[in-house]
Amino acid sequence: ETGVTQSPTHLIKTRGQQVTLRCSSQSGHNTVSWYQQALGQGPQFIFQYYREEENGRGNFPPRFSGLQFPNYSSELNVNALELDDSALYLCASSPYDAAYEQYFGPGTRLTVT
Amino acid sequence: LAKTTQPISMDSYEGQEVNITCSHNNIATNDYITWYQQFPSQGPRFIIQGYKTKVTNEVASLFIPADRKSSTLSLPRVSLSDTAVYYCLVGDESGYSTLTFGKGTMLLVSP
Repeated sequence: ETGVTQSPTHLIKTRGQQVTLRCSSQSGHNTVSWYQQALGQGPQFIFQYYREEENGRGNFPPRFSGLQFPNYSSELNVNALELDDSALYLCASSPYDAAYEQYFGPGTRLTVT
Repeated sequence: LAKTTQPISMDSYEGQEVNITCSHNNIATNDYITWYQQFPSQGPRFIIQGYKTKVTNEVASLFIPADRKSSTLSLPRVSLSDTAVYYCLVGDESGYSTLTFGKGTMLLVSP
């Protein structure tokens, strides 16, 4: 059974640029959620995707957007990067009927300069 | 979503049992209690989930009193590798649920 994978591991971008982060969900999981974790803080929910549609969204601006593909993999896109977007971005997958037992990937460390 | 309160940090020694308590006074009838563990620069890892009384797995035990306004994660005989941040979360099992993480409890296990 393959776990959740994310790419890239690390990324450095300049303020104002755009970035795409990728996530492959665990086998058999049809729900994918994205989280932002700043240093010293708990993960903050960005949004969740189920059946290729956004299924819930946290308190993040529209420049954070996502996609889910038919194979349940997902992308997180962030436009007009700001310095405060520097964080660890985590992807988690779960079966739809077990939303609280989520399996997290290792994360992508994004640094905005 | 019910708000949770946990200690910011705890210290222990190898071989000891560690109990981390979480308060969730406004837990709803349909809410479950879930605990996650996170090591530095890694994603959180599901540890255990329960609704009432006691749940035990190969990693930990979760004790929930009858009023369900608090819960205690019990880690038996901790080792250095148990040093991590532990998060307590409360919410229902619907597909629309999101995980609301607080700052968690930083557990430091010393030799």
